[in-house]
Amino acid sequence: DQQVKQNSPSLSVQEGRISILNCDYTNSMFDYFLWYKKYPAEGPTFLISISSIKDKNEDGRFTVFLNKSAKHLSLHIVPSQPGDSAVYFCAASSFYQKLVFGQGTRLTINP
Amino acid sequence: SAVISQKPSRDICQRGTSLTIQCQVDSQVTMMFWYRQQPGQSLTLIATANQGSEATYESGFVIDKFPISRPNLTFSTLTVSNMSPEDSSIYLCSVGLAGGYGELFFGEGSRLTVL
Repeated sequence: DQQVKQNSPSLSVQEGRISILNCDYTNSMFDYFLWYKKYPAEGPTFLISISSIKDKNEDGRFTVFLNKSAKHLSLHIVPSQPGDSAVYFCAASSFYQKLVFGQGTRLTINP
Repeated sequence: SAVISQKPSRDICQRGTSLTIQCQVDSQVTMMFWYRQQPGQSLTLIATANQGSEATYESGFVIDKFPISRPNLTFSTLTVSNMSPEDSSIYLCSVGLAGGYGELFFGEGSRLTVL
């Protein structure tokens, strides 16, 4: 049972445009959501998070939106840069530091 | 933040053998987590390693197959026992810092290939 789903295995975006990565979850007990970025041969690195009491969180070029009624979150990257090319994982938690990950979306930024 | 070192970074193993992966953190942490990423799959939590007590395993993972040690607050090992090709994965050690909620820090991972 996949509790956290990223339905797009890959996404290609032009440099300078907006990248939108999507994530759906099924467990209504999740109360904290995170995005991680992973380069090849490296471990995932934390990018941005959002608590279930909020619907938006911004950090520079990165914004995460949470729609609890739809059990959906998205990550917006504006503007997209070549260094953003990586695999992005969304994750959710209902218990301190115990994360459930999605399958990942490979983002490619084209010059 | 935390700096996490894992050894080995990669290895090729024969079926039926066991391999121990080491994880060293540059600061004391209460909980350490071991994840597995099978090819093309998401990260799956194997177990939570608590210092001074038995590790807590997730559904589908058992101590006989994945014994874990946690001798102190900066070090842990994960052993993959009696390996089969299905165990070919990236194994990742991660930690969270006190006061954080879900912002885990990950090691670079140990890529195991079982022939």
